[in-house]
Amino acid sequence: QKEVEQNSGPLSVPEGAIASLNCTYSDRGSQSFFWYRQYSGKSPELIMFIYSNGDKEDGRFTAQLNKASQYVSLLIRDSQPSDSATYLCAVMGLTGANNLFFGTGTRLTVIP
Amino acid sequence: ETGVTQSPTHLIKTRGQQVTLRCSSQSGHNTVSWYQQALGQGPQFIFQYYREEENGRGNFPPRFSGLQFPNYSSELNVNALELDDSALYLCASSFSTGEKLFFGSGTQLSVL
Repeated sequence: QKEVEQNSGPLSVPEGAIASLNCTYSDRGSQSFFWYRQYSGKSPELIMFIYSNGDKEDGRFTAQLNKASQYVSLLIRDSQPSDSATYLCAVMGLTGANNLFFGTGTRLTVIP
Repeated sequence: ETGVTQSPTHLIKTRGQQVTLRCSSQSGHNTVSWYQQALGQGPQFIFQYYREEENGRGNFPPRFSGLQFPNYSSELNVNALELDDSALYLCASSFSTGEKLFFGSGTQLSVL
């Protein structure tokens, strides 16, 4: 059973600060990693994906991947109150359906 | 909005009943995956359909079954409902297996 672990939080940051969300995974062969944002009562929304070691930036979001350490993170710069949500880390399986394995999510609150 | 639509949005059933949930995939997507998300948890993979065939299944009992139609829309059927089946049921579509998933808005099922 693949495991994806996230610090459950809650994580609170002031508006304008950098929010750092972390995730570790157990399957060393995993190749594809995703971050989803989920507002309360809504469905997950894909915000970042990363396949290669290093950093990938998209606007205020940066995903970081370190396969040797089996670690993936999401940085949110200039955090806004609208970023307050639960962030789900997901790792794609290697065989069959290539389904996603999700962590339990980190709840982020950005304080105005 | 992802273009993935699910119906109904909410449903209340009693233990032992049967339920059918429906999903229309995003245009151009031929793969549909179903996930169950219990309160406070990350989504868990139920199964995936690719070209009208089940392409993989998570750790769910046979009373969870599905279909995919020629237009790539899909149904999730759950027989003999149990209280623990109360959850948000998410449908996600993708261009193919192993590709990024885009989720619909979900069906909130309550079993009393």
